[in-house]
Amino acid sequence: DAMVIQNPRYQVTQFGKPVTLSCSQTLNHNVMYWYQQKSSQAPKLLFHYYDKDFNNEADTPDNFQSRRPNTSFCFLDIRSPGLGDAAMYLCATSRVGTLQETQYFGPGTRLLVL
Amino acid sequence: DAKTTQPPSMDCAEGRAANLPCNHSTISGNEYVYWYRQIHSQGPQYIIHGLKNNETNEMASLIITEDRKSSTLILPHATLRDTAVYYCIVRPTGANSKLTFGKGITLSVRP
Repeated sequence: DAMVIQNPRYQVTQFGKPVTLSCSQTLNHNVMYWYQQKSSQAPKLLFHYYDKDFNNEADTPDNFQSRRPNTSFCFLDIRSPGLGDAAMYLCATSRVGTLQETQYFGPGTRLLVL
Repeated sequence: DAKTTQPPSMDCAEGRAANLPCNHSTISGNEYVYWYRQIHSQGPQYIIHGLKNNETNEMASLIITEDRKSSTLILPHATLRDTAVYYCIVRPTGANSKLTFGKGITLSVRP
């Protein structure tokens, strides 16, 4: 089945140690998003790629970077994780230009910072 | 900022209809109403969306008032697996259109 895949589901890192979260999709969608969701809060958009064009949200910290080497894969890099970066990170995709432009979400990666 | 307001929580009995309200009094003419839900520890899931007409799919029905300032998501026969946070979101269509999640409403379906 076509889907959005995030690995791993749980990631543990140390304070200040760079970490990369990965997302892949088999939907061939041209837009990929990264959201951060802290405990008991709503998902918050960090940035998205429209094809190869990177779109950063104004309040996303510089500590967060992203790469999209091809249509199927997108990575979230946290350069120096702090305790406040512990959260669920959600990847989503959509095909802009369709009537619905529905976003399809992966299961998320829960990041723990020690 | 989210342009919608929802009650924080509600519950309903299994097998009964769940009617989830949403207010979006500042909605613009080109903005759609979307509903997503998030079951605990999972990613959000699309349910339904509409512009001004009522919509129905295999999951739910969406009733939008004539003035479009509010809407109701209806789950016709709620099951325990429908327990989740339900997000009502207003967004325009088009490239770079974002989903801005509000606090959502927590629906608890009781046996």
